[in-house]
Amino acid sequence: ETGVTQSPTHLIKTRGQQVTLRCSSQSGHNTVSWYQQALGQGPQFIFQYYREEENGRGNFPPRFSGLQFPNYSSELNVNALELDDSALYLCASSAGQTGELFFGEGSRLTVL
Amino acid sequence: QQQVKQSPQSLIVQKGGISIINCAYENTAFDYFPWYQQFPGKGPALLIAIRPDVSEKKEGRFTISFNKSAKQFSLHIMDSQPGDSATYFCAASWGLGRALTFGSGTRLQVQP
Repeated sequence: ETGVTQSPTHLIKTRGQQVTLRCSSQSGHNTVSWYQQALGQGPQFIFQYYREEENGRGNFPPRFSGLQFPNYSSELNVNALELDDSALYLCASSAGQTGELFFGEGSRLTVL
Repeated sequence: QQQVKQSPQSLIVQKGGISIINCAYENTAFDYFPWYQQFPGKGPALLIAIRPDVSEKKEGRFTISFNKSAKQFSLHIMDSQPGDSATYFCAASWGLGRALTFGSGTRLQVQP
């Protein structure tokens, strides 16, 4: 059984640029959630996708957007990057909307 | 009302000792309380979780104690081992699979 995989693992961007992060959910999982984890902090919920529809959103501005594809993989897009966007971005998948969350290892974004 | 407060921020325990981490929540609508373990460079992994209808849950060396009236829950790690050295996060949500609100984390170091 393949776990949650994320790419890229590390990337560096400059302020104002745009970034796309990708996530492949665990086999059999149709729900994907994204979290932002700043250094030394707990993860913060960005949004969740269920069957290609956004199914809940945290306190993040609209420049954070996402997609879920028919194969349940997902993308997180962040426009107009700010220095404070530097963080570990975690993807988690679950089997349905009431399943246990399984996290990937994250994508480390540095904004200069 | 969304906060989950976690303490201590860091903890040093001798091998074989008991590690205790505490969390308090404000929102009485929360009904799922998991604990996650995170090693450096890895995503959080579910350790143990509890629902508010029980006051204690034990899995191996890990025990959650839950006090609904005080809105507090804690993680006890018995016979702590150096391999337990990691960052631990408590979390809460309105049901399994829903958006998690995480605590700020406790960095545990178990000395041999």
